[in-house]
Amino acid sequence: GAVVSQHPSRVICKSGTSVKIECRSLDFQATTMFWYRQFPKQSLMLMATSNEGSKATYEQGVEKDKFLINHASLTLSTLTVTSAHPEDSSFYICSADEGGSGNTIYFGEGSWLTVV
Amino acid sequence: GEDVEQSLFLSVREGDSSVINCTYTDSSSTYLYWYKQEPGAGLQLLTYIFSNMDMKQDQRLTVLLNKKDKHLSLRIADTQTGDSAIYFCAESSSGGYNKLIFGAGTRLAVHP
Repeated sequence: GAVVSQHPSRVICKSGTSVKIECRSLDFQATTMFWYRQFPKQSLMLMATSNEGSKATYEQGVEKDKFLINHASLTLSTLTVTSAHPEDSSFYICSADEGGSGNTIYFGEGSWLTVV
Repeated sequence: GEDVEQSLFLSVREGDSSVINCTYTDSSSTYLYWYKQEPGAGLQLLTYIFSNMDMKQDQRLTVLLNKKDKHLSLRIADTQTGDSAIYFCAESSSGGYNKLIFGAGTRLAVHP
C-alpha cells in the first residue's frame, strides 16, 4: 500500500521554542492531509485539514497561530508547534488521502513531542 | 455533532473470539473503519466497511454494521497474544469521507 512518512519520530524541545513535524506521502500525491493529536491513553483528535496551496482548516478549539500548518507541495505538509509548552507534549499523527474511495487514507507513524 | 463511542477495555482468552463494539452518530458516514494501534506506534488499518454493506469478512476479522442502530462491531476469531493492542473505530465525517472521527479506543488484552 501507499506510504506516509513522518519526521521526526521523536523530538524533545525546550519550552518557548518551536518545532516542526513533517508529513510526506512517499509514493502518491495528496491534495489533502490531516493532522491529529493523541494524548496518552486517549483517542485521536482531529486538529486540522491541510490543503495543498491554500490555508489549513482548523477544528474548533485548535489555535491556528500556535499550530502552523503549511502544505507547500502535493507530497508534503508540515506542522509547526510554536512557542511550545509542556502541555503541548503529545503524539502527533498525520494522514493523507491517496484519492479514490474506501481504504485510500494512509496514516504516518506519528511523532512524539516532549516539551521540557 | 459527530461522536463515536466504544467500550474501553476487553479481556479475552487466547483462542477465543473477541468482539469489539462501537456506536456512532453520523448517519451520513460513508465509510466506517477499524484501526489497530500497538504501544508507541502509529495506526494500522485493519479493515473498513462501506455504509451500504451489512457485513465484511477478511480472514480472522468480521465486521458487522447495523446502520439502523448505528452500531459497528469487529470480531476477531481465534484471538492471539499478538492481537493485544488498542482498537479504534472511526467514521468518515460529513465534512469529507477522508476526514475521520475516532472513538476512544478499546484496549484488548489477550491472556493465556
